Amino acid sequence: EAQVTQNPRYLITVTGKKLTVTCSQNMNHEYMSWYRQDPGLGLRQIYYSMNVEVTDKGDVPEGYKVSRKEKRNFPLILESPSPNQTSLYFCASSLAGPNYEQYFGPGTRLTVT
Amino acid sequence: LAKTTQPISMDSYEGQEVNITCSHNNIATNDYITWYQQFPSQGPRFIIQGYKTKVTNEVASLFIPADRKSSTLSLPRVSLSDTAVYYCLVLLSGSARQLTFGSGTQLTVLP
Repeated sequence: EAQVTQNPRYLITVTGKKLTVTCSQNMNHEYMSWYRQDPGLGLRQIYYSMNVEVTDKGDVPEGYKVSRKEKRNFPLILESPSPNQTSLYFCASSLAGPNYEQYFGPGTRLTVT
Repeated sequence: LAKTTQPISMDSYEGQEVNITCSHNNIATNDYITWYQQFPSQGPRFIIQGYKTKVTNEVASLFIPADRKSSTLSLPRVSLSDTAVYYCLVLLSGSARQLTFGSGTQLTVLP
């Protein structure tokens, strides 16, 4: 089954404790992206990757890092999480860029206390 | 930088046609307009995409005027299961091809 998976689905952590949210897709897609969703603000892009080893900032990249060492994986790293990063995070992938249909993962709900 | 604008919410009754408009006056010249549907506790799901004029698929139609500064998603004969949040997605002109989702429209279909 074609899908985007994220882990963990739920995470509660404390300020400053480094964490990684994994994202994996099995569709051989070139493009992958991370979004955060907050009430009243909709979906905002954090980082995206057009291909392996090619990443770029989105709308709200501060406090986040990403890497794209393999085509299928695109982990999101919070080196020192803060409470304002409490949010619902979605990973997505598409065949070749944002103009193609994006397939979204199930989401990761992160709480930073 | 101008963003996209959508109505916050809309109500409709089963069987009616629903039209949701998104304004995007800074859209990049050569990029598509895409609409997504999102149910609670799920990721957004692709509905339809277009560049200009009219596009129709098995679930919706998308109308885009010549100036492409807005687009209208049309859902024919909605049912209770169409209750969801609908987002338009565009690439805005300018540096870095900024990808912007609208703030979303909560559609509630009433029996």
